[in-house]
Amino acid sequence: DAGVIQSPRHEVTEMGQEVTLRCKPISGHDYLFWYRQTMMRGLELLIYFNNNVPIDDSGMPEDRFSAKMPNASFSTLKIQPSEPRDSAVYFCASSVEYQPQHFGDGTRLSIL
Amino acid sequence: AQTVTQSQPEMSVQEAETVTLSCTYDTSESDYYLFWYKQPPSRQMILVIRQEAYKQQNATENRFSVNFQKAAKSFSLKISDSQLGDAAMYFCALGSGGSNYKLTFGKGTLLTVNP
Repeated sequence: DAGVIQSPRHEVTEMGQEVTLRCKPISGHDYLFWYRQTMMRGLELLIYFNNNVPIDDSGMPEDRFSAKMPNASFSTLKIQPSEPRDSAVYFCASSVEYQPQHFGDGTRLSIL
Repeated sequence: AQTVTQSQPEMSVQEAETVTLSCTYDTSESDYYLFWYKQPPSRQMILVIRQEAYKQQNATENRFSVNFQKAAKSFSLKISDSQLGDAAMYFCALGSGGSNYKLTFGKGTLLTVNP
């Protein structure tokens, strides 16, 4: 059974560019989560979806960040325009109700 | 607001020995879950063990066990017979809202296993 699949694994881009991170959850999972991990702030929940609907986006840092889930098997996290302080590892996770979250391998994002 | 505190930034253990990682938390909810996740250098986040707050019995998974003290809001992880592959960053996490929807993570404890 395939786990949560994230792409790309690494992304390096220049400040001001648009960045799109992608996630394919485990089939049958109806919850999807986006996290950000930095040395300073640790792991933070950015947003989560249930049945493709955003439920809580209170962790999204600012309007430059947006997330979508057009169908049950795909989600994107977009940063536009990107800034150096957005450099972090971004994780996607999925789950079913009352079960532990399964994490993808993360995307390491570097904004120059 | 919920908080999770891991007071040990780093720990080390000899191979085959036992080590305990500490975690305390704070929440106003009566129904919640607690988790330990492991993050090796490969960056994956791997679930080690979980505990439902309503269960008094401590969870165990092979060499991993927890000491859950609900009144003290403490949730420590014991690793027995430590192996080199146990070396990783360990995160304690609290799941709120009557499920694990919103995870709050501690800052992590870096575990080194010495041969």
